Amino acid sequence: NAGVTQTPKFQVLKTGQSMTLQCAQDMNHEYMSWYRQDPGMGLRLIHYSVGAGITDQGEVPNGYNVSRSTTEDFPLRLLSAAPSQTSVYFCASTEAGRAYNEQFFGPGTRLTVL
Amino acid sequence: DAKTTQPPSMDCAEGRAANLPCNHSTISGNEYVYWYRQIHSQGPQYIIHGLKNNETNEMASLIITEDRKSSTLILPHATLRDTALYYCIAHLNFGNEKLTFGTGTRLTIIP
Repeated sequence: NAGVTQTPKFQVLKTGQSMTLQCAQDMNHEYMSWYRQDPGMGLRLIHYSVGAGITDQGEVPNGYNVSRSTTEDFPLRLLSAAPSQTSVYFCASTEAGRAYNEQFFGPGTRLTVL
Repeated sequence: DAKTTQPPSMDCAEGRAANLPCNHSTISGNEYVYWYRQIHSQGPQYIIHGLKNNETNEMASLIITEDRKSSTLILPHATLRDTALYYCIAHLNFGNEKLTFGTGTRLTIIP
């Protein structure tokens, strides 16, 4: 299993540009989520999904869109990039309803918005 | 998730036991204590979890006080590869998959 994969690893955008961060998992996990991590801060939840076709907002959803058309994929869209969105983005997945909450994280995407 | 409090940083000599404390005085009866770690800039990795009994796995041991207001993660023989940011999280197991990460403890293993 590849686990959770994220692309790209690094990205530089100009203010106002849009882009999609890709996340995929091959573990058939129902639950997927996106976090951002800023320097000196813990991870903050952006959006999450409990299954295909179901998404919901996390703690910091503004400026981001998500969709979940398949179990495997959970892309994160930046509609109009702003310097405040410069961060490291992590995607995670877990099997819903298992005995304990072990989340599997991807390697991250490091985004810089100029 | 209940609030947790951890020291911002700790050092430990290589080969010694690393004991990482966590305070969770407002934890509810059905919240578990989870530990994750983040090595360098990688994604966080699950370590261990427990409710009220002490737990041990191949990575670490978790000691939870009887009143459940605090816990300690123990890495029995710390190696340089254990240098990482360690997160303690109080979390419900079911119906609430979202994890709330604090700022964690930065553990540095000294050669």
